[in-house]
Amino acid sequence: DAGITQSPRHKVTETGTPVTLRCHQTENHRYMYWYRQDPGHGLRLIHYSYGVKDTDKGEVSDGYSVSRSKTEDFLLTLESATSSQTSVYFCAISESGGLAYEQYFGPGTRLTVT
Amino acid sequence: GESVGLHLPTLSVQEGDNSIINCAYSNSASDYFIWYKQESGKGPQFIIDIRSNMDKRQGQRVTVLLNKTVKHLSLQIAATQPGDSAVYFCAENMGSNTGKLIFGQGTTLQVKP
Repeated sequence: DAGITQSPRHKVTETGTPVTLRCHQTENHRYMYWYRQDPGHGLRLIHYSYGVKDTDKGEVSDGYSVSRSKTEDFLLTLESATSSQTSVYFCAISESGGLAYEQYFGPGTRLTVT
Repeated sequence: GESVGLHLPTLSVQEGDNSIINCAYSNSASDYFIWYKQESGKGPQFIIDIRSNMDKRQGQRVTVLLNKTVKHLSLQIAATQPGDSAVYFCAENMGSNTGKLIFGQGTTLQVKP
């Protein structure tokens, strides 16, 4: 998985609790992304980062926040988890945000909100 | 909004046959396309990419064809093997420098022995 780890790999939490997912890379890539994957929706971008402390929203950012205090770590936080946030979350990295630089994906985190 | 779609949700082929997975995109500004393979329980894995200034690109057993006139992308897998069984996604970069990708819904490829 191209030097990308995600933690935890599985998590079950209750509605209303805060949850933080971590993505760690050893590739020193500048760009990092958080996606969620749901049946019938494919992969949808939540947030992305183009450098330390530089982040921006994706298409499904409501209810999520991110932080990137160092190059290798990108955190995704659900401030108050809801059942609609039950999903598989993937982190991806890219050397560049420009043309012809593919994204490499981590192994995913399966989150269940009860 | 703009979206990338796939023509068939499931494709079943005989081992050894060639597979063709199709993808339609709607954003004429898209300039970069990628095919990913996702096996059960794993993250998407890069297969091959193509820029909009190309019509065809070949890799090992895979070929991607791009028809900008009809906004169509296809992935051809030669001599399909059981290990090719997975979900295949196409994705497009909509011309920005952020690297943001829009993914299609995915096509499940089933290889029959």
